[in-house]
Amino acid sequence: AQTVTQSQPEMSVQEAETVTLSCTYDTSESDYYLFWYKQPPSRQMILVIRQEAYKQQNATENRFSVNFQKAAKSFSLKISDSQLGDAAMYFCACGIKAAGNKLTFGGGTRVLVKP
Amino acid sequence: KAGVTQTPRYLIKTRGQQVTLSCSPISGHRSVSWYQQTPGQGLQFLFEYFSETQRNKGNFPGRFSGRQFSNSRSEMNVSTLELGDSALYLCASSPGTADYEQYFGPGTRLTVT
Repeated sequence: AQTVTQSQPEMSVQEAETVTLSCTYDTSESDYYLFWYKQPPSRQMILVIRQEAYKQQNATENRFSVNFQKAAKSFSLKISDSQLGDAAMYFCACGIKAAGNKLTFGGGTRVLVKP
Repeated sequence: KAGVTQTPRYLIKTRGQQVTLSCSPISGHRSVSWYQQTPGQGLQFLFEYFSETQRNKGNFPGRFSGRQFSNSRSEMNVSTLELGDSALYLCASSPGTADYEQYFGPGTRLTVT
């Protein structure tokens, strides 16, 4: 079974600054995917970024980038130039390719953005 | 394309009743997954349907069931509701396997009194 752990319940960042969210995971599978999802107050889950485990290159989407350390089973998310609209819950998730679309989520990190 | 839609958005039920939630995936998507989100347990996978077949199931009691129709729309049913079933139920659709991105709906907020 997979486990995903987010050790930071809440993080605060000043507008335009950078914040890094931590995530560690555990799986015995070799073919898996990692995700960061954002859940704003509207509760709609939005995919922020996705990383295939077989790719060494860290994924980047505009102001969002990850630091994927496969050996350490670590998958952190960096939000650069933080904006007020980035305020939300952020969930790290792991999906095993052989398990279809089943995702295992971490407990979430609330991001507060101060103007 | 229209996004994933879920109906109803809010629901209040009494203990012991049953409830059916509906999820309409994005046009062309064949996979629908369901998740339960509670403050205590977080986000937990319920089940996934692909081409009308249950492909994967989470660790939930048999009171939780689902099905998928030929047009890929999916329903989940919870029988004999308990207070602990109060949650946000999210569905997500995908074109196919884990190689594709999942798109989430807005959720159905179920309150059991």
